[in-house]
Amino acid sequence: GAVVSQHPSRVICKSGTSVKIECRSLDFQATTMFWYRQFPKQSLMLMATSNEGSKATYEQGVEKDKFLINHASLTLSTLTVTSAHPEDSSFYICSARDNSLYNYGYTFGSGTRLTVV
Amino acid sequence: GQNIDQPTEMTATEGAIVQINCTYQTSGFNGLFWYQQHAGEAPTFLSYNVLDGLEEKGRFSSFLSRSKGYSYLLLKELQMKDSASYLCAAGGGGNKLTFGTGTQLKVEL
Repeated sequence: GAVVSQHPSRVICKSGTSVKIECRSLDFQATTMFWYRQFPKQSLMLMATSNEGSKATYEQGVEKDKFLINHASLTLSTLTVTSAHPEDSSFYICSARDNSLYNYGYTFGSGTRLTVV
Repeated sequence: GQNIDQPTEMTATEGAIVQINCTYQTSGFNGLFWYQQHAGEAPTFLSYNVLDGLEEKGRFSSFLSRSKGYSYLLLKELQMKDSASYLCAAGGGGNKLTFGTGTQLKVEL
């Protein structure tokens, strides 16, 4: 089945630094990937839609200059949290669609626990 | 806009049956998903409904009524390992998934 690899699984960084999170589709091509953020005991909130070869589409209230998304190939999307602050500490999850499986194809990465100190 | 409602918490007994309800309002609706999520882990796919009716898959079943904007997830023969958060998500325009807040299910002896 479709597999999405997300790396790193955990990261601790200092306030003011940047962190890059990678999301790879291992056995399928994904023209679209999605980035979510989840705070403790809350649901997944969509941050942005990553489109291969074009600019990402950000949800309302998400700062595009702070959360940089790059989708340079059909199997890789990256999310960079720039100038991280403690309030950015959260669980970040990516999702990709296997376009050959209409609507069944949302596969999630294992998530990245970001802690900004 | 998008709106997904589901109960915050539910408690049930091992071996019993539990039904988790979800109501939704979404533009460009193209299907209703249920996911299971254990703490600190990514969601795992449980079911998908796009047509009205009941989809059965082992101990789990999911129902959809598009006219009522309503779905439920039915879990039978509950096991302790079923204690988790259950997320209702509606597929909408732009292939986006909008998630509900999740229902934290606790299975007790």
